Amino acid sequence: DGGITQSPKYLFRKEGQNVTLSCEQNLNHDAMYWYRQDPGQGLRLIYYSQIVNDFQKGDIAEGYSVSREKKESFPLTVTSAQKNPTAFYLCASSIIGSAYEQYFGPGTRLTVT
Amino acid sequence: SQELEQSPQSLIVQEGKNLTINCTSSKTLYGLYWYKQKYGEGLIFLMMLQKGGEEKSHEKITAKLDEKKQQSSLHITASQPSHAGIYLCGADKTGGYQKVTFGTGTKLQVIP
Repeated sequence: DGGITQSPKYLFRKEGQNVTLSCEQNLNHDAMYWYRQDPGQGLRLIYYSQIVNDFQKGDIAEGYSVSREKKESFPLTVTSAQKNPTAFYLCASSIIGSAYEQYFGPGTRLTVT
Repeated sequence: SQELEQSPQSLIVQEGKNLTINCTSSKTLYGLYWYKQKYGEGLIFLMMLQKGGEEKSHEKITAKLDEKKQQSSLHITASQPSHAGIYLCGADKTGGYQKVTFGTGTKLQVIP
């Protein structure tokens, strides 16, 4: 079955630690996206990538970093510089030029204390 | 400030009732999209509206984009518990279909 996987579903970290969230897709999509979801604020775009080894900042990239070494994988690192990292993180992918029809993973809920 | 405002923020309806969710932009949009999210999960794409005045339906869900392409409404007829979730509108601000800006979301509960 084709789809997007995110792991783990729940993640707990101490303040000051970097943490990497995994996102893998087997849909053969070129474009991949990372979003952050907070209550009452919908989804906000962190980073997106349209091709291997290239990515662009979204609206809230500060305190985050990404890599795109393989087409199937787009890991997100939440660094200690991110002031409010506790949130629900969603990864998505789509065909190039069809960002409206994104396929979403199940999400990772990150809690930093 | 959010560029796409949704109203209401939350809604509780009795099963069988109709309901409407609105999505408003301060700018003219190239495209307007609707998504549904089950609690704690990813989003599912419902439909896309591109032309002013366009209306589309998916099962018992109908969405319309106004003539000025700045407001869209999503209407659910005879709501069912399976309709419960968070509905989000999304928009293409640049016209390149490269990324989507999402609205604030509307949380819908349907009481049996």
